[in-house]
Amino acid sequence: KQEVTQIPAALSVPEGENLVLNCSFTDSAIYNLQWFRQDPGKGLTSLLLIQSSQREQTSGRLNASLDKSSGRSTLYIAASQPGDSATYLCAVRRGGNKLTFGTGTQLKVEL
Amino acid sequence: DAGVIQSPRHEVTEMGQEVTLRCKPISGHNSLFWYRQTMMRGLELLIYFNNNVPIDDSGMPEDRFSAKMPNASFSTLKIQPSEPRDSAVYFCASTRGESGANVLTFGAGSRLTVL
Repeated sequence: KQEVTQIPAALSVPEGENLVLNCSFTDSAIYNLQWFRQDPGKGLTSLLLIQSSQREQTSGRLNASLDKSSGRSTLYIAASQPGDSATYLCAVRRGGNKLTFGTGTQLKVEL
Repeated sequence: DAGVIQSPRHEVTEMGQEVTLRCKPISGHNSLFWYRQTMMRGLELLIYFNNNVPIDDSGMPEDRFSAKMPNASFSTLKIQPSEPRDSAVYFCASTRGESGANVLTFGAGSRLTVL
C-alpha cells in the first residue's frame, strides 16, 4: 500500500526566505506526482504536476523536483511571501486515476 | 469555466438524517472523484467515476454511503442514515481522461456537520 509522508508538518518562516517542503512515498512505481495548495476553508489548488519521466517542473517562484528511485519530491519556494501561507499537499498517482495524498505541511510566512 | 461546483457549501444535520451532496464537474472532464477530508485521516478517496461509470468504490466507508453519476455533468454522494463520525469536508474533483496524466481540479468542498 502506498504511503505518502510530508515533513515537516508545520513550518514558520520570515518573509523573503527560500524554503523547501519534502514529500516521500513508499512505492516508487508512480505515474506522476502533483503538488497542491489548500487555503483554510477552501478546496485544493493544483500547483505543479510532474510526470514520472520528468525530474522537475517550475512555475514562477515554485520549483518541484522528483527523484522516483528514492521515493522523494521537494517543493522549493523562492522569496516567500505572506500570501504563500497555506497547507501544501503532495499526491502520487500509481496508475489509473487514483491519487494518494500526503498529510500536508502547514506553512506560515510572517512579516 | 466556473470550475468544479459543489453544493451545499455547508450542511448541519442531526444524526439519522439523510444527506445529499452534489457536484457538477468541469465541462469536458470525464473522470470524477469524491474525497473526504478530516483532521485525523487527511484526504481519503471515496469513489471515482470514468465516463459516468463507477470504477473504484473501495474507499466508501460502509453501506450508508452511496454515489451516483447519472450523466456527465452531475454527481451525488448520499449518506443515509448520517452519523456524527461522518462529519468532514467532502470534496469533488474532476479531470480529463482516464490515464491520470492530467491535473486534478477540486471544488470548494461541502462541510458536513452531523450532530
